[in-house]
Amino acid sequence: GQQVQQSPASLVLQEGENAELQCNFSSTATRLQWFYQHPGGRLVSLFYNPSGTKHTGRLTSTTVTNERRSSLHISSSQTTDSGTYFCAMNNNAGAKLTFGGGTRLTVRP
Amino acid sequence: NAGVIQTPRHKVTGKGQEATLWCEPISGHSAVFWYRQTIVQGLEFLTYFRNQAPIDDSGMPKERFSAQMPNQSHSTLKIQSTQPQDSAVYLCASRTGGEQYFGPGTRLTVL
Repeated sequence: GQQVQQSPASLVLQEGENAELQCNFSSTATRLQWFYQHPGGRLVSLFYNPSGTKHTGRLTSTTVTNERRSSLHISSSQTTDSGTYFCAMNNNAGAKLTFGGGTRLTVRP
Repeated sequence: NAGVIQTPRHKVTGKGQEATLWCEPISGHSAVFWYRQTIVQGLEFLTYFRNQAPIDDSGMPKERFSAQMPNQSHSTLKIQSTQPQDSAVYLCASRTGGEQYFGPGTRLTVL
């Protein structure tokens, strides 16, 4: 089945630093989403980005479809960015999302 | 738009009891998904409906889990004879177009 690998598994930053989160997947993605989850909170969709680059605020998602990878860049991190970031994708074999293991981000003041 | 609604938010059952979890998708969304989340296994797909019809239940444990979508406004996930290993957060999502939107989840604890 399809696999999704995220790196790093955890990351600690000082407030103001930038972060680059990586996602690699085993098959060509037809749908790709990045999610954020605060501890105990719901999964919040950050980007639906099966290809190309999208921006919102301090976040940028870039997906290179033919290289089976996506990245999430967080600029000028804030303590409120702390939480877990998940990448999830599906291919044309089905609609279900397969999730990576997540990157746990901690931003210290 | 209240988003995807799930009830109850927390449920505690004794081993062997039944648990029914409810999901109200976003109005107008034609696809509804169930996932579960645990520390050990992460996020796992369970089952999926499109236009109320079951499409893919490949992630459902076969013997004790069942899901239905009797109308476009709600879906249920039923777990019979709950076991401690069923303890997890059960997530419902709905989709229009490409993007899935998740509810807050139901935290099921089986004692």
